[in-house]
Amino acid sequence: GDSVTQMEGPVTLSEEAFLTINCTYTATGYPSLFWYVQYPGEGLQLLLKATKADDKGSNKGFEATYRKETTSFHLEKGSVQVSDSAVYFCALDYGGSQGNLIFGKGTKLSVKP
Amino acid sequence: DAGVTQSPTHLIKTRGQHVTLRCSPISGHKSVSWYQQVLGQGPQFIFQYYEKEERGRGNFPDRFSARQFPNYSSELNVNALLLGDSALYLCASSFPGSGELFFGEGSRLTVL
Repeated sequence: GDSVTQMEGPVTLSEEAFLTINCTYTATGYPSLFWYVQYPGEGLQLLLKATKADDKGSNKGFEATYRKETTSFHLEKGSVQVSDSAVYFCALDYGGSQGNLIFGKGTKLSVKP
Repeated sequence: DAGVTQSPTHLIKTRGQHVTLRCSPISGHKSVSWYQQVLGQGPQFIFQYYEKEERGRGNFPDRFSARQFPNYSSELNVNALLLGDSALYLCASSFPGSGELFFGEGSRLTVL
């Protein structure tokens, strides 16, 4: 069945370091792909999305490119800040339902000053 | 504008009891989805409702049920609670075609 695999955490970086969180997926068809973020004490919120191959989603300095050939959607940021400390979830939209997302296990990011 | 609101925020039950969790979507959103998030894991899809009809169901036992009301709010019911039902239950709403889910902060259920 469809699934999402993301790199194990936790990830600890110093401020201004480069961030990559790997995400690969298995799916029949062509799902939409998402990154959600969960800040401490807050609900999940959409960070960025891509709906078709080669699309690049971007928001708040984060980017991810939908790579169909490698079935990947890696999250990157050139210079992280302490305020980026959160748990990041990669997800795919199963069957275009827009309500049924399959999530990865999450990667906890801690950024130290 | 109010986001997705869920109640209660925290609750403690004992095994065998029943629980009802409530969700109010963002105004104008007609689709509501429910997810279970066990500590240290990603959210797992339970149900999706759109226009009061069930549109999807995840791999959960029949002890889990849900419904959506005419005002698009929703309830998730869990019968015969097990210790393994302890989790954060998330509700999300969406506007058709937007491709984005808006999540509430969740209801944290502890089963003793």
